[in-house]
Amino acid sequence: EAGVTQFPSHSVIEKGQTVTLRCDPISGHDNLYWYRRVMGKEIKFLLHFVKESKQDESGMPNNRFLAERTGGTYSTLKVQPAELEDSGVYFCASSRDDYYGYTFGSGTRLTVV
Amino acid sequence: GNSVTQMEGPVTLSEEAFLTINCTYTATGYPSLFWYVQYPGEGLQLLLKATKADDKGSNKGFEATYRKETTSFHLEKGSVQVSDSAVYFCALRADSGYSTLTFGKGTMLLVSP
Repeated sequence: EAGVTQFPSHSVIEKGQTVTLRCDPISGHDNLYWYRRVMGKEIKFLLHFVKESKQDESGMPNNRFLAERTGGTYSTLKVQPAELEDSGVYFCASSRDDYYGYTFGSGTRLTVV
Repeated sequence: GNSVTQMEGPVTLSEEAFLTINCTYTATGYPSLFWYVQYPGEGLQLLLKATKADDKGSNKGFEATYRKETTSFHLEKGSVQVSDSAVYFCALRADSGYSTLTFGKGTMLLVSP
């Protein structure tokens, strides 16, 4: 089966601009997660979708971040406006119904300059 | 709150050397523990896991034992290979029913021929 796909793989934007990251989960996986790794720090949970609903968004840092999952398929994570501290690697993961079965994507490296 | 502490990297070893990457955690109850690995240019992959005290997870020659008395889950391998060069992340999942993961900062392993 195809894995979790994220794009772009890299994005460099200026402070104040908008960026949208996309994640395509494994087909049939209802659970979709976003995580972020800021340089040199821990990978931190952002939010969790079950189908199109936000199950847990307690990790979203502020209202400049907006995540959507239209129709319970792919998900987007929009940062608007981007700040320097938003730089990092954004990981997406999906699972069918068992957290042990997390599959991560390769991540999107976001650099805000 | 929950937290995971890993030894700082990079860890630099010669091929066939013995590897230990220390991981300790703080959590209430009985969390599940994981090691993930990220090879260059790839996503996070589950390396091994343990779900209760004294369990030993193992995969690809790597092992880790869940030690509740010392709140540790150290990763070991008897003889590393160049292909083991990667970033290793220790993580926990709380037993509260949520499926999100709490990660450590990651430890880079560099193995030279």
